[in-house]
Amino acid sequence: DQQVKQNSPSLSVQEGRISILNCDYTNSMFDYFLWYKKYPAEGPTFLISISSIKDKNEDGRFTVFLNKSAKHLSLHIVPSQPGDSAVYFCAGSTDSWGKLQFGAGTQVVVTP
Amino acid sequence: NAGVTQTPKFRILKIGQSMTLQCTQDMNHNYMYWYRQDPGMGLKLIYYSVGAGITDKGEVPNGYNVSRSTTEDFPLRLELAAPSQTSVYFCASSTHSTGEDGYTFGSGTRLTVV
Repeated sequence: DQQVKQNSPSLSVQEGRISILNCDYTNSMFDYFLWYKKYPAEGPTFLISISSIKDKNEDGRFTVFLNKSAKHLSLHIVPSQPGDSAVYFCAGSTDSWGKLQFGAGTQVVVTP
Repeated sequence: NAGVTQTPKFRILKIGQSMTLQCTQDMNHNYMYWYRQDPGMGLKLIYYSVGAGITDKGEVPNGYNVSRSTTEDFPLRLELAAPSQTSVYFCASSTHSTGEDGYTFGSGTRLTVV
């Protein structure tokens, strides 16, 4: 069963505007949620995480919002830059061994 | 620091052949993981290790084996390769058990089984 879902396979946004990436989950036992960014032919790189006891975490241009009642989280990138063009994965962590459940990813394209 | 190093980067195997995907990290991380990514899908956990000598199965372990004799190395063994094992394989390591600081991933091994 897919516990983490990213229902938008792609997103196109203009440079300087806000990118909003969405993620839904079904497992209420997730302790942490994480976002990763992946360029072609590279491994994913960690962007930002949020604890399940918080509703917002911010790091520079990246902000993650968590709505536990809706089992929904989102990543906001403001302002979007051409270097942000990549695939973004949402992931949830449930246990003490750091194992992650990943969504299928959203391809972001930032246009000039 | 090199971080997480995976070799080889690319490999073509024939059905029934075996191979070992190498993974080495130089960050002294206790936690290490092997994931596979199929086209249009998220990463799925194959095996993981919480320290030298300790390994356990993930979500999709069939057809694979691992060992962890040292903190640095976590090789993934494919026995009797099948076309369903065509995928991109990522090794990762982490310092925190809950994963909130994120993994460090290797650059991946693209495997094709024909």
